[in-house]
Order: sequence, then C-alpha cells, then structure tokens
Amino acid sequence: QKEVEQNSGPLSVPEGAIASLNCTYSDRVSQSFFWYRQYSGKSPELIMSIYSNGDKEDGRFTAQLNKASQYVSLLIRDSQPSDSATYLCAVSPGNNRKLIWGLGTSLAVNP
Amino acid sequence: DAGVTQSPTHLIKTRGQHVTLRCSPISGHKSVSWYQQVLGQGPQFIFQYYEKEERGRGNFPDRFSARQFPNYSSELNVNALLLGDSALYLCASSFDPSYSNQPQHFGDGTRLSIL
Repeated sequence: QKEVEQNSGPLSVPEGAIASLNCTYSDRVSQSFFWYRQYSGKSPELIMSIYSNGDKEDGRFTAQLNKASQYVSLLIRDSQPSDSATYLCAVSPGNNRKLIWGLGTSLAVNP
Repeated sequence: DAGVTQSPTHLIKTRGQHVTLRCSPISGHKSVSWYQQVLGQGPQFIFQYYEKEERGRGNFPDRFSARQFPNYSSELNVNALLLGDSALYLCASSFDPSYSNQPQHFGDGTRLSIL
C-alpha cells in the first residue's frame, strides 16, 4: 500500500460544478495535510492546509479531514476552466519526518 | 518579498556530465528541500537541509549530493548524469521542519534534460 494515494484521474467536470478530489494516507500519526495545485510545466502551489478533523473553507476551496478514516479531500465549488491542473496531496507524519506526496489527480474543467 | 528562486531555469547536459542546481529560500526560511519530479508523477524527495545540516535523504544514489550555505541557500549536485535524471528539479523552503504544520513553498524549478 502506498503511503499517500490519490486517484490519478483524469477527473472531468463541467464549468460551474463541484469538483471533489480525494486522498488517503496510511500513517495514522500523520499530523498535517496539504493540497497543492500544479499547472503543466509549473511548480506546485500551496492552496490549502488542514490540521484538525472537519472542514476548512477558503473561498471556493474546502478541505475536509477525517483522521479516523485516514482521508483528506478537497472540494472546489463553481469550478472554472482555470482550475484545470493536477492536484497533489501531501501529508506530514510529524516527528521531523519529510512530507509524503501522492501522485496527484488531474482535473479538467470543461467550459 | 521574493519567493523561492532557482537557477538555472533550463539546462541541457549529456550523459556522464555533472550539474549544479541552485536555490535561494524565502527570506526567513531556514530549511530547504530538494525534489525530483518526472512527468506524470508527484515530487520525489531527494534531500532536506536545515541550519546547514542534512535532515533527511531520499532513495537516490550517491551521485546526488547537496549542501546548504550560511545564508540558507542551497546547491544540488548530480554527477555522472544518466538519461533517467531528466526531470524537473524542485526546491522548496520552509521555516523550520521541526514543526509539522509548516508548509513548503516551491520555486519554479529547474528543467534538466539529458541527451
């Protein structure tokens, strides 16, 4: 089992719809969770961080964390074509250990 | 404030050569991490440095080495380049990796092509 797993996609949604991206992790002691967006040929850009169970909202983005089930998700409301990118989930196990990265989910928002 | 800066942006080398990539972290950040990203995959961890000391090393051969300078900038060196080293090399900085809630911020990367 990979430490951080994401569906590779592509996930295709129409413009204006809600895009739902999921990430599961294997290390139960993981403490911090990050979502990055990466456009083709560009570097990852931090869009959300979440540390405690529940929802965290920032504009059109909502991160959801469920430590008991070991998953973290990212919802994008009112999806725009400019949201088309690869979304990377990164998990910090704590204890000075390095970030663990998923392979990313490709999202395509169709006009 | 300037973000993470990397140089060069693009580099073309041939097999067997060596390369040095450079990174300057965000002002005030003391930790630098290096990643290799090949097309279609997530970043693969190479090294992490904090206060000029190596804090972590990924599963890369000894051809890969790095160091961090007193001003917290960093260099990644790769010797005896192979075709498989062709990738986007990313540098990320954070304030202190001891705190797990510290996100990493990436530079624009160096695109390395091996011919």
